[in-house]
Amino acid sequence: GDSVTQMEGPVTLSEEAFLTINCTYTATGYPSLFWYVQYPGEGLQLLLKATKADDKGSNKGFEATYRKETTSFHLEKGSVQVSDSAVYFCALSDWSPDDKIIFGKGTRLHILP
Amino acid sequence: GAGVSQSPSNKVTEKGKDVELRCDPISGHTALYWYRQSLGQGLEFLIYFQGNSAPDKSGLPSDRFSAERTGGSVSTLTIQRTQQEDSAVYLCASNRQGGNEQFFGPGTRLTVL
Repeated sequence: GDSVTQMEGPVTLSEEAFLTINCTYTATGYPSLFWYVQYPGEGLQLLLKATKADDKGSNKGFEATYRKETTSFHLEKGSVQVSDSAVYFCALSDWSPDDKIIFGKGTRLHILP
Repeated sequence: GAGVSQSPSNKVTEKGKDVELRCDPISGHTALYWYRQSLGQGLEFLIYFQGNSAPDKSGLPSDRFSAERTGGSVSTLTIQRTQQEDSAVYLCASNRQGGNEQFFGPGTRLTVL
């Protein structure tokens, strides 16, 4: 079945460092890909998405490009801030009738001032 | 407008007791999803509703788990004879028909002693 694999955390970086969180997927069709973020004490929020190959999703300085050839959707940010500390989930939806989302296990990110 | 709401926000119960978790989706959203977030396990799909019917119950972990939705709106997830391994955050999400972006509630943290 479909699945998502993302790098295990926690990831600890200093403020203004470059961030990459790797994500790869397995899907039989042509899924939509997502990054969700969960800030401390809050619910899941959609951070960005891409619906077809070579699309780039971006939001709040974060970017991810849908790479069909490598089945990847790595999350990047050029200069992280303390406020980016959160858990990040890579996910896919395969456009099946139920549109359920398959999530990775999440990567906890700590940004040090 | 209001987002997805869930109640209670926290529930502590004794092993063997039944619990009910409630989800109020965004008004007009026809699809409703329940997920479970266990420590270190990511998010696990439980059940999906389209309107009041549940075409996919494959994620329910045992027959102690059941869910219903009435009036195409509020949903209740019931766990009977709770076990310690049921301790987790239970998340509800909704989306509009034809959309694949899900909007999540803040979750209910269930602790089974």
